[in-house]
Amino acid sequence: AQKVTQAQTEISVVEKEDVTLDCVYETRDTTYYLFWYKQPPSGELVFLIRRNSFDEQNEISGRYSWNFQKSTSSFNFTITASQVVDSAVYFCALSGGFTGTASKLTFGTGTRLQVTL
Amino acid sequence: GAGVSQSPSNKVTEKGKDVELRCDPISGHTALYWYRQRLGQGLEFLIYFQGNSAPDKSGLPSDRFSAERTGESVSTLTIQRTQQEDSAVYLCASSPTSNTGELFFGEGSRLTVL
Repeated sequence: AQKVTQAQTEISVVEKEDVTLDCVYETRDTTYYLFWYKQPPSGELVFLIRRNSFDEQNEISGRYSWNFQKSTSSFNFTITASQVVDSAVYFCALSGGFTGTASKLTFGTGTRLQVTL
Repeated sequence: GAGVSQSPSNKVTEKGKDVELRCDPISGHTALYWYRQRLGQGLEFLIYFQGNSAPDKSGLPSDRFSAERTGESVSTLTIQRTQQEDSAVYLCASSPTSNTGELFFGEGSRLTVL
């Protein structure tokens, strides 16, 4: 069975602080994909990133960066110089396989990030 | 429309009544998914459509839940004899293929069963 754990339920930071959202996963699949989605107050989930299990290179996109470590089964997400617009619930997700089941995402319970002025 | 559209956005019903939730995916997206999000919890997978077929309906919690998709477009999730534990936000998502994991979500239908 697949499982995604986001131990941080809620994080509050002041604008311009850096913040890291943790994600730990469990899977027996040798090939799998990891994702982060953002759910702003409007409610609509927005795709942020997908990584496959063969690619452990860290990725940076603007103020966002992701640290994938297979050895610790973690896929952490860092926001640098946070802004109020970053306030949202962030979900880490996991899927397995290539076709069909690759789309059956298992989501964590989410981390609510509150950025204040 | 440009995005995934769901209706109704809010539905309050009495225990025992049937409800239908509708999803209009992004035009041309072949894959369609239903997820359920209970308050304070993550998203639970319910069912997945590829075209009009449902290769994976393993997440449907009971036989009171059913879903169909027609014309490789609109999908309807039906909950019969609703129970209070069915209260949740029901999210629909679509994807241009079935194996990218990049899902485009609607804003959800919030169901409250009294």
